[in-house]
Amino acid sequence: DIQMTQSPSTLSASVGDRVTITCRASQSFRSSLAWYQQKPGKAPKLLIFDASSLQSGVPSRFSGSGSGTEFTLTINSLQPDDFATYYCQQYDTYLWTFGQGTKVEIK
Amino acid sequence: QITLKESGPTLVKPTQTLTLACTISGFSLTSSGVGVGWTRQPPGKALEWLALIYWDDDKAYSPSLKNRLAITKDTSKKQVVLTMTSLDPVDTATYYCVHRQVSVSGSRAFDIWGQGTLVAVSS
Repeated sequence: DIQMTQSPSTLSASVGDRVTITCRASQSFRSSLAWYQQKPGKAPKLLIFDASSLQSGVPSRFSGSGSGTEFTLTINSLQPDDFATYYCQQYDTYLWTFGQGTKVEIK
Repeated sequence: QITLKESGPTLVKPTQTLTLACTISGFSLTSSGVGVGWTRQPPGKALEWLALIYWDDDKAYSPSLKNRLAITKDTSKKQVVLTMTSLDPVDTATYYCVHRQVSVSGSRAFDIWGQGTLVAVSS
């Protein structure tokens, strides 16, 4: 099974900051990676798929990059609505595994 | 518009079997490429994918739970049903129904999620 490890677990940031979250895979794959945003009490929302493709309706301040074993989610100019928990997910093997999550909180 | 809605018991006793249904709308379970599955989240913890069924009735299961899970679909009822046996308090979680993205790129991300249903396992 491919294991996904996110860092950091918690990130404190201010409105307007540029934020980067990293997801590392236990084995290499090309681009079968998604990023989700989850707010308390709500279902996750797909932000990025195929490592760098922006899901329809998601603001352009969100971007994804990477391949192999290291992937990143970047939020440019953090907005109040972006304080949430973010999860990466791989789907390379026709099975799906999530990272443990990164909580972005207000500094 | 694609929607998913979970239904099932909110409280289950240890050792019992859990049966959850996901009622879909806005698409067909038999359309080529369609996949619908389940993901869960224990309180305060991370997401965990459980199972997924495809339009052609092929199935995929989490390796760590596959001996306890069964996923089926009922196209006439527009439902995907998950059965989990031998429930334990650690199975207490919000269970989400998910729609696998149908994309020209071949992406298999989950683009639509149900609202989730909280299931507690307790005597």
